[in-house]
Amino acid sequence: DGGITQSPKYLFRKEGQNVTLSCEQNLNHDAMYWYRQDPGQGLRLIYYSQIVNDFQKGDIAEGYSVSREKKESFPLTVTSAQKNPTAFYLCASSRQGSLGKNIQYFGAGTRLSVL
Amino acid sequence: GESVGLHLPTLSVQEGDNSIINCAYSNSASDYFIWYKQESGKGPQFIIDIRSNMDKRQGQRVTVLLNKTVKHLSLQIAATQPGDSAVYFCAENIRGDKIIFGKGTRLHILP
Repeated sequence: DGGITQSPKYLFRKEGQNVTLSCEQNLNHDAMYWYRQDPGQGLRLIYYSQIVNDFQKGDIAEGYSVSREKKESFPLTVTSAQKNPTAFYLCASSRQGSLGKNIQYFGAGTRLSVL
Repeated sequence: GESVGLHLPTLSVQEGDNSIINCAYSNSASDYFIWYKQESGKGPQFIIDIRSNMDKRQGQRVTVLLNKTVKHLSLQIAATQPGDSAVYFCAENIRGDKIIFGKGTRLHILP
């Protein structure tokens, strides 16, 4: 059963705590992404990685960190520096589609709340 | 269409009718556009895509139309079904793999 698996589905963070969201894919995709979605809003890019051991900041990287040690895995850490972490976090990976451009495919998301 | 703020624009359509969801994109240099469907509590699901050198592209029950003159994209869903109820996002590819998502339109199906 191929796809993108995000865990946990729900996560609670205490004040001053770092938390890590997991994203695993078995699609053999090179590129992976992390987005944040707030209620009634579109997706905003946090970080992306086009290849193992390399990643770039997106539009809202402050307060977040990532690693890409394996092709299959792209974990996101929400640090204590992120003052407003409550959101729905989406991980994606991409492959080239029939039009020659990369299509992003998404996991089911992790909903993070602050206690 | 797109909106600012917490309240998504909502389109209500009778079951069996056709739905047309509109999107205005921002960058005339965008060369690729995608429509995604997001059901409540789930991740976005790819529906259909189109390149800027195309005016129209059809899929199964869906058609995407692109008007570059006015920077407008639309998604047409034929014979709307209850399972089509979701938030629909358009997205534009400006450079490389970076995609900018719109804020979405909620499609509500009337019985």
